[in-house]
Amino acid sequence: QSVLTQPPSVSAAPGQKVTISCSGSSSNIGNNYVSWYQQLPGTAPKLLIYDNNKRPSGIPDRFSGSKSGTSATLGITGLQTGDEADYYCGTWDSSLSAFWVFGGGTKLTVL
Amino acid sequence: QVQLQESGPGLVKPSETLSLTCTVSGGSVSSGSYYWSWIRQPPGKGLEWIGYIYYSGSTNYNPSLKSRVTISVDTSKNQFSLKLSSVTAADTAVYYCARQLIHYSSSSPDAFDIWGQGTMVTVSS
Repeated sequence: QSVLTQPPSVSAAPGQKVTISCSGSSSNIGNNYVSWYQQLPGTAPKLLIYDNNKRPSGIPDRFSGSKSGTSATLGITGLQTGDEADYYCGTWDSSLSAFWVFGGGTKLTVL
Repeated sequence: QVQLQESGPGLVKPSETLSLTCTVSGGSVSSGSYYWSWIRQPPGKGLEWIGYIYYSGSTNYNPSLKSRVTISVDTSKNQFSLKLSSVTAADTAVYYCARQLIHYSSSSPDAFDIWGQGTMVTVSS
């Protein structure tokens, strides 16, 4: 199982809003920056959010990120069918064996 | 713009060593602002970080793979490489190379902002 916990799936209708949670601990999310990735079917992951809540150039403001304590959340508003994808959170785990960790991924279905 | 491209055999026999190379174009692996990482994804499963290398040659590996992984960099060719030894069927995956930011204030590894397209590696006899 993954160090970071995400719900396996979420769904919502076009135009609606959805949130995806990512739960960790003080050694990872609690003391490090979280990033979020979108993976469309058959493609490489794409960076959506970095440093908890910053969007790279070209990412629409429909995508947002937040962090509180040892949890992080990705929000997507104005859902489009093209948003249907797998979403992953990730962060550095600064425990004794420091390493990068990903969540298990969340499949977003736009109904 | 910076692009990454993985290359290497698509089929590796059990117990042998998997070897992949990532070629960086439009940028330099010698930049001190990034780590250069390998990430894999078994079929139908999630992402797993393998490790990264800095241009100086310093590395950091996933503890679960550390005994079998070697990542190296060739600044003259603007490439970095992955070797994974004693492979089994469990190592069958799409392997991605990626550029990883270094956080400006904490100096900790940060997000992966550029990814290669990925290359499928199957371990089978």
